[in-house]
Amino acid sequence: GPKVLQIPSHQIIDMGQMVTLNCDPVSNHLYFYWYKQILGQQMEFLVNFYNGKVMEKSKLFKDQFSVERPDGSYFTLKIQPTALEDSAVYFCASSLLGGQNTLYFGAGTRLSVL
Amino acid sequence: QQQVRQSPQSLTVWEGETAILNCSYEDSTFDYFPWYWQFPRESPALLIAIRPVSNKKEDGRFTIFFNKREKKLSLHITDSQPGDSATYFCAASGSSGSWQLIFGSGTQLTVMP
Repeated sequence: GPKVLQIPSHQIIDMGQMVTLNCDPVSNHLYFYWYKQILGQQMEFLVNFYNGKVMEKSKLFKDQFSVERPDGSYFTLKIQPTALEDSAVYFCASSLLGGQNTLYFGAGTRLSVL
Repeated sequence: QQQVRQSPQSLTVWEGETAILNCSYEDSTFDYFPWYWQFPRESPALLIAIRPVSNKKEDGRFTIFFNKREKKLSLHITDSQPGDSATYFCAASGSSGSWQLIFGSGTQLTVMP
């Protein structure tokens, strides 16, 4: 089936540094999402993005977070500066349409903030 | 406050048995309930989904039973196979303008041969 690729699979950084998580969504998809999962807990919605704009964001999407998809390439999640509580697995997803369309997920990037 | 709850957290069944995974939700405006499964080191993927216009959705060995009055649903896996061993996530969303898919914390299913 359609594949969403996330790079890297694991990233370790020091608290206060900037980190960019990259997502290569399904090629013809138009809607993009980030979810955060702390070990043993559920995936929690962070943000969705369409047509170059954030459509919705949750309370977890702090001011230090930003997303963009420059020139239709990678969909990125940037955290600047990072905090210890940002340690989690971040899942990217994409869908062809919005609303209740099927989400296709990447395998996640495990972020460890030391 | 968890809007989507799943139980049990982990479940072990023998090959050939029926596994029953439970899910409940808070928000009565939710009208779309997909189940995603995730194998180790792989991406979560859509398994089966139901909308409240029906109280049952079947796809092969996988069946969702839905109880709108009690805000509960369950996923039944008949004739369980070792290849069904995965983490199963119940999710929910509404049509009130939000596209957020709210996930439960998952049930880790192990099917013993």
